[in-house]
Amino acid sequence: LAKTTQPISMDSYEGQEVNITCSHNNIATNDYITWYQQFPSQGPRFIIQGYKTKVTNEVASLFIPADRKSSTLSLPRVSLSDTAVYYCLVGDRVNTDKLIFGTGTRLQVFP
Amino acid sequence: ETGVTQSPTHLIKTRGQQVTLRCSSQSGHNTVSWYQQALGQGPQFIFQYYREEENGRGNFPPRFSGLQFPNYSSELNVNALELDDSALYLCASSLYREEVYGYTFGSGTRLTVV
Repeated sequence: LAKTTQPISMDSYEGQEVNITCSHNNIATNDYITWYQQFPSQGPRFIIQGYKTKVTNEVASLFIPADRKSSTLSLPRVSLSDTAVYYCLVGDRVNTDKLIFGTGTRLQVFP
Repeated sequence: ETGVTQSPTHLIKTRGQQVTLRCSSQSGHNTVSWYQQALGQGPQFIFQYYREEENGRGNFPPRFSGLQFPNYSSELNVNALELDDSALYLCASSLYREEVYGYTFGSGTRLTVV
């Protein structure tokens, strides 16, 4: 499984766009990139998954450059309720069916 | 569609005791994974169960064991509890090797060992 590196923490203000970048230099050809969100005393929640270029859903966008050695989770116009820990995971959807979490990025949104 | 339910939500045990945590998987899911999350850390994979068999294990000692039942619910058992076992224990259900990253997590059981 490819190792990921993310910032330990980030601060933002309500209404701003937040971009969290994850490095995964050893990503393999079959690996997908997935982000989870976790609130205190709750289990992680799936946010978004992608393989290349850009993926967008109702919650976030995921930008993946051509070399796929990094990815950026973009949260548009954050609110206080977006304060959480965000985890970047990389793995093969077919051959790897166990999620391996790093320490994540703790996002604090201020009013 | 029901989500993942874990019980109990909180538990206090004494060092050396044994504990059983329970998990009901999301409807339609056949795989259950257990994670341990220490304060300030990401979840650490303990093991996964599929078709009532252990299907992969993380770096945890044998005193961590589990079961999966025909209805896909699961138990996590920890023997000879140690202080370092204090953590949030998370259960996640999924469809085996399909949408593998679309795991559904429960809210966890907070275990405190004193």
